[in-house]
Amino acid sequence: ETGVTQSPTHLIKTRGQQVTLRCSSQSGHNTVSWYQQALGQGPQFIFQYYREEENGRGNFPPRFSGLQFPNYSSELNVNALELDDSALYLCASSLAGVQSNEQFFGPGTRLTVL
Amino acid sequence: GESVGLHLPTLSVQEGDNSIINCAYSNSASDYFIWYKQESGKGPQFIIDIRSNMDKRQGQRVTVLLNKTVKHLSLQIAATQPGDSAVYFCAENGDGGSQGNLIFGKGTKLSVKP
Repeated sequence: ETGVTQSPTHLIKTRGQQVTLRCSSQSGHNTVSWYQQALGQGPQFIFQYYREEENGRGNFPPRFSGLQFPNYSSELNVNALELDDSALYLCASSLAGVQSNEQFFGPGTRLTVL
Repeated sequence: GESVGLHLPTLSVQEGDNSIINCAYSNSASDYFIWYKQESGKGPQFIIDIRSNMDKRQGQRVTVLLNKTVKHLSLQIAATQPGDSAVYFCAENGDGGSQGNLIFGKGTKLSVKP
């Protein structure tokens, strides 16, 4: 186990709704990255948060947004859900400033959009 | 464009044999590479990493080889066990990790026959 936790485990929403996913980083880690993993694919980078600010972003529209809190936990918010948003959403924590980009992943939240 | 891909989408091996999983990358700016193992219903689990100033790194039963000339990465698993059955992803840090993201390949499914 990595110490990274995510909630909820599973979620079912309908098109047009909004969703908030949560992540608690591993103890001592100050950076959180979010990834979307479609079925049968590798994870795709959404964005990263460091010091409560977005530190980088992948090719995802603005309806994907996030927050990081002073305790380094993070939220991923998705507005106006679309069917293609159905995926496993992974949170990964890391420690900024180390030479590597080693990221430790949580178990993910399985989102189904109907 | 930037991509990380795998030559073999599936690999079936006999228990006790050695496994080799291959990966090609295209971003010459990548200087950090990771292999992850993902079991069904779980998040990716870190296996081993390597920086671009190395061409080989060994862990417990695993070895990663990096050939920068042909932009090729491989993961060798010695004495493969049933517990090694999973999907294996290689990941690179793309533009040197300035955006904080890892770029993942599509994955190779390893099946170990008892």
